[in-house]
Order: sequence, then structure tokens, then C-alpha cells
Amino acid sequence: AQRVTQPEKLLSVFKGAPVELKCNYSYSGSPELFWYVQYSRQRLQLLLRHISRESIKGFTADLNKGETSFHLKKPFAQEEDSAMYYCALKGTGRRALTFGSGTRLQVQP
Amino acid sequence: ETGVTQTPRHLVMGMTNKKSLKCEQHLGHNAMYWYKQSAKKPLELMFVYNFKEQTENNSVPSRFSPECPNSSHLFLHLHTLQPEDSALYLCASSQDPAPGGYTFGSGTRLTVV
Repeated sequence: AQRVTQPEKLLSVFKGAPVELKCNYSYSGSPELFWYVQYSRQRLQLLLRHISRESIKGFTADLNKGETSFHLKKPFAQEEDSAMYYCALKGTGRRALTFGSGTRLQVQP
Repeated sequence: ETGVTQTPRHLVMGMTNKKSLKCEQHLGHNAMYWYKQSAKKPLELMFVYNFKEQTENNSVPSRFSPECPNSSHLFLHLHTLQPEDSALYLCASSQDPAPGGYTFGSGTRLTVV
């Protein structure tokens, strides 16, 4: 079975502060990991995926297989980063994504 | 319109009604999905279709019946629902086996009364 855990329902930081949204997963094979974001009144959209090793809107995420984690980080939060963030896992040979319960990020001025 | 389009945006139905949700994608993707998003719960996978063939049914009750007539269209037929089925129903598509993510629709907010 595969599972994604996002332990924080809400993370509140001040503008300019560093951000780390936690994601841990449980999967016996080699997963693909993703972060999705949902801004207010917008649809859920892909933010980044671990295989691309990219930085999107200043966010990065590194897959740590030893700790089975895929935490999302940004060194300096902006108010426009306020949104709901979902971590997702795709198992080997499967098309479907398994999502975590999401973390709401609030960036205060 | 490009992307994934879901209709209707909102739906209120009685427990004895029959209704259908529609999803359409114009991205040339070959896989489509139905997810259920309830308050305070993770997104729950319901069904997966690849090239019109259902490849996953995540133990969904038979009162939900999916239909995929072609790679661009996906329906979710609803009948004799329960109040606990009230939720946001999300459709998504992807190109498989390319290692990309999903493109989501805006969802249909369903209320069962």
C-alpha cells in the first residue's frame, strides 16, 4: 500500500521567513513524488515533481529515500504563496496519484 | 477551450435523483481520473481510465457509475446517492507513460439532500 502524510494542516509564517512544508511517504518501490498547489478560487495545479529537479516560484523539493520524505522548501516566503499545498505519490506501474491531506500555508505581511 | 472542463460547477440533487457529471479534456491526454474531495479528507481516487478502458476502481459503491466513451470525455453517473456523498468531484487527465503530472478540472460541487 502507498500512503502520503502531511503532518501539518496549517503553517503560518511571516513574509520573508523560510518555509518548509513536510511530506512523508510510505511505499516499498521507487516512487515519483509531486507537489500540487491550489490558490484561492483556482484549480489544483502541478507545482513541481522530483524527477525534474526544478525550482518553481522559488520552491524546491528533494526526495530523501532514506527518510522517505519530500519536503517543500522556500527560503523567503511571499504573500502570494498563501495557498493549499498537496504532496502526491505515483507508484511504479500505476497511473494514479495518491495525495496527502494537504497543508494550508498562510504568509502574513 | 483548452485544459480540463467539468460541468456542471454546482449540483444539488435528492437521494432518489439520477444525474451525471461531465468532464472533457482537449489536451490529447490518454488517461482520465475521477477523484472525490471531502472536507478534512485527502483526495480519494475513484476511477482511472486509460484509452477508454477502466484500469482502476478504488472500491467505489455502485451508485457511482463511470463512463468513458472516448479519450476526451469522462462521465460520472450518479443514482440513489447518500448525503455523505456530498463533496467536490474532481476530474483530471494525464499523458501516460510520460512522467508528467495531472491537469485538473475545477470540479463539480455536489450536494445531496
